[in-house]
Amino acid sequence: DSGVTQTPKHLITATGQRVTLRCSPRSGDLSVYWYQQSLDQGLQFLIQYYNGEERAKGNILERFSAQQFPDLHSELNLSSLELGDSALYFCASSPTGGAGQPQHFGDGTRLSIL
Amino acid sequence: DAKTTQPTSMDCAEGRAANLPCNHSTISGNEYVYWYRQIHSQGPQYIIHGLKNNETNEMASLIITEDRKSSTLILPHATLRDTAVYYCIVRAFSGSARQLTFGSGTQLTVLP
Repeated sequence: DSGVTQTPKHLITATGQRVTLRCSPRSGDLSVYWYQQSLDQGLQFLIQYYNGEERAKGNILERFSAQQFPDLHSELNLSSLELGDSALYFCASSPTGGAGQPQHFGDGTRLSIL
Repeated sequence: DAKTTQPTSMDCAEGRAANLPCNHSTISGNEYVYWYRQIHSQGPQYIIHGLKNNETNEMASLIITEDRKSSTLILPHATLRDTAVYYCIVRAFSGSARQLTFGSGTQLTVLP
């Protein structure tokens, strides 16, 4: 158990819809990362938050957004969903985001777009 | 971050040591070497990381060559549960890009 909790585990929805994925980091971790894993793209970094502020952005689509709340949990919002958004979405956390600090991953949310 | 090269797949007999190589010939002095693994579609699991010195923890050992251009992850007594994709990642010590960049990894299959 990594200590990172992601909900829901599975999500099935239709094209054009909007969903919210939730992540609770490990106790004491201030930095949260979101990653997407699809069959053809592998694991790709989306976005990082540190103590409520956006710190780094990867290949995140404009239809996707994220935020980190005062209690440090984070949400990833995906809108105008397309078939290609079907993927596993992972959240990871680390104490402050330093390069010498391992990121610990949750078990992911499997998103299926019908 | 420096690019890494890993074999696509490897087999190992159960109970034997699994030695997974990684080439990172363009690594710079401020980059860490990280190893993660992913079992089926579970979340990536952190194994070990190092900067210059060899490292050991309860899961594995990390051997980094003196010139830092390659490393080897050693699982001392592989079990069937160690079958997974293993990712070698180099990560800059500083700068805004602190995310992990995953490549294709090595599919390790532990055989009974």
